[in-house]
This record gives sequence, C-alpha cells and structure tokens, in this order.
Amino acid sequence: DADVTQTPRNRITKTGKRIMLECSQTKGHDRMYWYRQDPGLGLQLIYYSFDVKDINKGEISDGYSVSRQAQAKFSLSLESAIPNQTALYFCATSSIQGGYNEQFFGPGTRLTVL
Amino acid sequence: ELKVEQNPLFLSMQEGKNYTIYCNYSTTSDRLYWYRQDPGKSLESLFVLLSNGAVKQEGRLMASLDTKARLSTLHITAAVHDLSATYFCAVDLQGAQKLVFGQGTRLTINP
Repeated sequence: DADVTQTPRNRITKTGKRIMLECSQTKGHDRMYWYRQDPGLGLQLIYYSFDVKDINKGEISDGYSVSRQAQAKFSLSLESAIPNQTALYFCATSSIQGGYNEQFFGPGTRLTVL
Repeated sequence: ELKVEQNPLFLSMQEGKNYTIYCNYSTTSDRLYWYRQDPGKSLESLFVLLSNGAVKQEGRLMASLDTKARLSTLHITAAVHDLSATYFCAVDLQGAQKLVFGQGTRLTINP
C-alpha cells in the first residue's frame, strides 16, 4: 500500500475553473508539502505545513491555496485555474523525528488547464 | 537565497563507463539529499547525507558531501541501462526546514 497518495492522478480542466488536489498519508508524519514540477525543471515549493495549525507559503504560492484538514490530509486548491498552472504536482511528507528533512513523495497529479 | 545547481543537466553515456554528477549550493548547509525520478513517475529517495565528509553507497551509485566546498557528488560506476533516470539533489535550508532542489540531471545510459 502506498504511504503517500494523491487524487486525482490526472485532471484536465478549463481556464477559470476551481480545482482541488488532495493528498493523504499513512506515514504518521507531521510535515506535508506541495510542489510543482514543470517539464525539464526541478521542483518548486508551493506551500508547506508543519502541523494542522501551521501553514506556510513557499516560493510560488500566488494563485494557490491549501487546507490541512487533519495531520494525514493536505489539499491544494486552484481557485481560478489558468493555463500556466499546467504542470505535475507532487505532495510530500517528512517527520521532525531524527532531526533531518528527508521527504517522501506521492505519485503526482498531472494537471492540464485548457 | 539558497541556490542549488547541478551539472551536467543532460548526460548520455555508455554502459560500463564511470561518471560523476555534481551538485553545488550557495549557502551553508550540512544536509543534502539525492533523489531519482523515472519518466512520468514520482521521486524516490536515494541518499541522505548529514555531515561533512559523509559518503553513502548503494550498488553502482555513491554519493558524498563536502560542506566546506558546498559540493556533493553522485558517482556512477560501470553504468547499466537501468540507471537511466533524472537525478535531483536537494539541500536543506537550515532553520527553515524546507528543501531547495537542483534542476535535475537527466541521465541516459546506452547499451
């Protein structure tokens, strides 16, 4: 069973639509992250959360919002999707235990905005 | 601002050869991670390097960290086709508890 799951895995939507991407984890980790990957590029951090009451903006948060509904769930929303938000989106988790930040990634959501 | 640069960005090599991927970063950190990504897939953790001089090896891959030079290397020994993938390094931005990723190195190993 996957430790970090994302739904949907693929989504095609139209400009202006609201869309939500969901992430769930069974690893018991306290920290969760949302990244965006564009073709041929590295990962850019959108938002991150260290616990249910702690939400932080990453490098490219404009146009996105998040919700940490529970320790195991972290959702990413695009309030009004635009074509340049077409990308591969990854959720990741990590644990403060051990004192380092090795992150474990979900399978990704491929989003296309027409 | 922490910047992480990998080189080369693209690498095509023959099976059986050795090569090294370099990861340079711009500010102090003693925690660096290497990930592998197959096309269209997620990122898989390969190595966690947590101190100056750290060396980790798994099969034909060996990673090292020199915090004074702000440099990590991923060395491939006697490459095989199955190692074809994109490899990312990521540096822990200390205090902020978040990772900054390099651009990735797309490695293609030809028979």
